[in-house]
Amino acid sequence: SAVISQKPSRDICQRGTSLTIQCQVDSQVTMMFWYRQQPGQSLTLIATANQGSEATYESGFVIDKFPISRPNLTFSTLTVSNMSPEDSSIYLCSVEAIDSFYGYTFGSGTRLTVV
Amino acid sequence: AQSVTQPDIHITVSEGASLELRCNYSYGATPYLFWYVQSPGQGLQLLLKYFSGDTLVQGIKGFEAEFKRSQSSFNLRKPSVHWSDAAEYFCAVGARTGGGNKLTFGTGTQLKVEL
Repeated sequence: SAVISQKPSRDICQRGTSLTIQCQVDSQVTMMFWYRQQPGQSLTLIATANQGSEATYESGFVIDKFPISRPNLTFSTLTVSNMSPEDSSIYLCSVEAIDSFYGYTFGSGTRLTVV
Repeated sequence: AQSVTQPDIHITVSEGASLELRCNYSYGATPYLFWYVQSPGQGLQLLLKYFSGDTLVQGIKGFEAEFKRSQSSFNLRKPSVHWSDAAEYFCAVGARTGGGNKLTFGTGTQLKVEL
């Protein structure tokens, strides 16, 4: 299965600033997904990122707040913009490998604290 | 839209005892079902998945799950729990959407193992 490197693993940020999270995969993948896990909560899908097209956002998430880039088949970034304490969460990258139907792999996550 | 219910937020078992974690799903077609485990500070690891065929699915670390269509359930079981199994467990259902495959997670069950 694919191996995901997600950076940074954690960060503490000031409100009003932005943080870009990187997701690097060791193999080419079709779909990349970004999830948010708020404290004590389950995972909620933010958006789906396909290479060469704009990301598809889930209800409640907008591009201005969570811009996503997907420049190639092995890399994606998620930016959390104009942060507030409510954005404090774990953000996880996930991929579905080309040769593995529903073969989802998750990164170890980015633990974000906004102060 | 699909949904997943994990009715038990916390479960405590003694090491060596059997374990069953409950999961109920709602989905209009044949579901794709998953169990993931998340250890503290870690990403999600896939324990097992069900697509079709045999309703009893074997996974890693000695876990198994049984798909019961009549009860819309996909409960996770382990005959003898080890202290290292303490973690949070998430059930998820997968659905085909216009943007690809999408996972919907339950709220998770926190497992504590008493020595």
